[in-house]
Amino acid sequence: QLQLQESGPGLVKPSETLSLTCTVSGGSISSSGYYWGWIRQPPGKGLEWIGSIYYSGSTYYNPSLKSRVTISVDTSKNQFSLKLSSVTAADTALYYCAGGITYYYDSSWGQGTLVTVSS
Amino acid sequence: DIQMTQSPSSLSASVGDRVTITCRASQSISSYLNWYQQKPGKAPKLLIYAASSLQSGVPSRFSGSGSGTDFTLTVSSLQPEDFATYYCQQTYSTPRTFGQGTKLEI
Repeated sequence: QLQLQESGPGLVKPSETLSLTCTVSGGSISSSGYYWGWIRQPPGKGLEWIGSIYYSGSTYYNPSLKSRVTISVDTSKNQFSLKLSSVTAADTALYYCAGGITYYYDSSWGQGTLVTVSS
Repeated sequence: DIQMTQSPSSLSASVGDRVTITCRASQSISSYLNWYQQKPGKAPKLLIYAASSLQSGVPSRFSGSGSGTDFTLTVSSLQPEDFATYYCQQTYSTPRTFGQGTKLEI
């Protein structure tokens, strides 16, 4: 059973870069066929897909965020990460990492981490 | 982007009721439709994938159907632990998009 855990700063200043890491346990992040990704949820609102990465490194981003987003994998640490640049208050949200055996659905989720953008 | 519209936005029901939530896509998405359950303060949990396949460990009272643009999630007999918010999600095309959610209340 895969377990995912997000980590990173809970407070980021406007115009800076938000950086989060997701640590995967219970399996290898480089297992063939596995996809990993990030989803966010502003307080009291719905879910927004940020992007996904294949275990080999291919990435898929939401066009609305693509110019600011980078998702990468660190196989040596069994982690993948999210970087979101030039953040504003609109990027304040609960950020979830998720993944699974296929691109088409996320069967395992982290518990989420709240990131607030404020000076 | 493909727009996903759920109805109703909220629903009041009782334990033992049969309830149905509808999700409509703005264009055909074949069967690339998932359903998630989210309880307050928790991460979403995958219930149904590929429109009608039950995720391992999910009670059989949950079922999904549909293809193309119209989909439904049915709970055959509501249990106390089923009161939550439900989201549909399409993964037919990028960006993946979610419905706005349906809050199921007692």
